[in-house]
Amino acid sequence: EPEVTQTPSHQVTQMGQEVILRCVPISNHLYFYWYRQILGQKVEFLVSFYNNEISEKSEIFDDQFSVERPDGSNFTLKIRSTKLEDSAMYFCASSDPGFSQAFFGQGTRLTVV
Amino acid sequence: QQQVKQSPQSLIVQKGGISIINCAYENTAFDYFPWYQQFPGKGPALLIAIRPDVSEKKEGRFTISFNKSAKQFSLHIMDSQPGDSATYFCAASIGFGNEKLTFGTGTRLTIIP
Repeated sequence: EPEVTQTPSHQVTQMGQEVILRCVPISNHLYFYWYRQILGQKVEFLVSFYNNEISEKSEIFDDQFSVERPDGSNFTLKIRSTKLEDSAMYFCASSDPGFSQAFFGQGTRLTVV
Repeated sequence: QQQVKQSPQSLIVQKGGISIINCAYENTAFDYFPWYQQFPGKGPALLIAIRPDVSEKKEGRFTISFNKSAKQFSLHIMDSQPGDSATYFCAASIGFGNEKLTFGTGTRLTIIP
């Protein structure tokens, strides 16, 4: 079964450092998303991406965040200067042109120290 | 107005019993209501979803009941099994397949023998 793959599974970074979280969506999917889940809290929408541009973003997705699809397979989330409160599980998701459902990756746990 | 409220926060059910998780929403523009199942270390996976033109949808042991006038929907798991032990999230979005999902806070379900 096709799946969304995220790397790394766990990243520890120092406050103020830049991190890039990587995702390989399902190959024929055209819509891509990032969500985050702070430990013990609900899953929160960050951003959606289609046709090489952001289609929607939440208020969480401020200037410190950016997304990119640098090639035909990867979808990345960059946090420029990490804060302690960025510590969370970050989930990538993708969906196909028929919008049947979004498939989520297994997540990257980001720990900012 | 964008919130989805979920209860209970945790639930313990005996094997073979019925697990019931409830959600309520405020935004009447929501028209797609999926439930996600999440196992530890995994991303959320779509379990079952409903649109507001029906009051109930059943897939195997899983049933969604939907009350449009009360703005509430619930997940029923019949004949609950230990393998159902997971965290369950309700969610809502505007537009079928719009994966800008607003998630509930999650319910940790434990099925005991």
